Amino acid sequence: DVKVTQSSRYLVKRTGEKVFLECVQDMDHENMFWYRQDPGLGLRLIYFSYDVKMKEKGDIPEGYSVSREKKERFSLILESASTNQTSMYLCASSSSPGETGELFFGEGSRLTVL
Amino acid sequence: GQNIDQPTEMTATEGAIVQINCTYQTSGFNGLFWYQQHAGEAPTFLSYNVLDGLEEKGRFSSFLSRSKGYSYLLLKELQMKDSASYLCAVKDSNYQLIWGAGTKLIIKP
Repeated sequence: DVKVTQSSRYLVKRTGEKVFLECVQDMDHENMFWYRQDPGLGLRLIYFSYDVKMKEKGDIPEGYSVSREKKERFSLILESASTNQTSMYLCASSSSPGETGELFFGEGSRLTVL
Repeated sequence: GQNIDQPTEMTATEGAIVQINCTYQTSGFNGLFWYQQHAGEAPTFLSYNVLDGLEEKGRFSSFLSRSKGYSYLLLKELQMKDSASYLCAVKDSNYQLIWGAGTKLIIKP
């Protein structure tokens, strides 16, 4: 079975803390994505990566950074967490753009910033 | 701007049929996806349409009309386990996915 694993299902952090969310996929996919999901809104793309050490900004990159040192791992970093970053964070991966591009999602990391 | 519209919530009865609509306005079109998301779980892929017409996959079918910017997901013989949110997403001219807010489907016995 294909698998995308996110390091933490639930986190509670304080304003100003640095937060790391890690994502690992075992499908040898080139593409990896970080989304946030908030009630009443569609998934919003934060950052994505098409290759190792490569990153591209999505629709809402402010306040976030990412790291992709290995093909299977894509990390999302909140340098200084704020309350408006309280959300569900979803990692996803997909194969090459030439195919349908079906996304495989992790279980999600629900972050609460106090 | 780019926009995907779907109903916020729908209710249906076990054993019945339900149709979830999705209309879109995007800059270009390179395919439309439907995903299912149970509460507290990851979205999972249901269907992909890039050409007009109906794609059937078991109890689930997905229809696309590119000229109308319209798709629907049809669920037959509803089961309680079909209670979930259904997400519509369109791949635009830059191959980026634009997501709808999702339709929460409630199945009643």
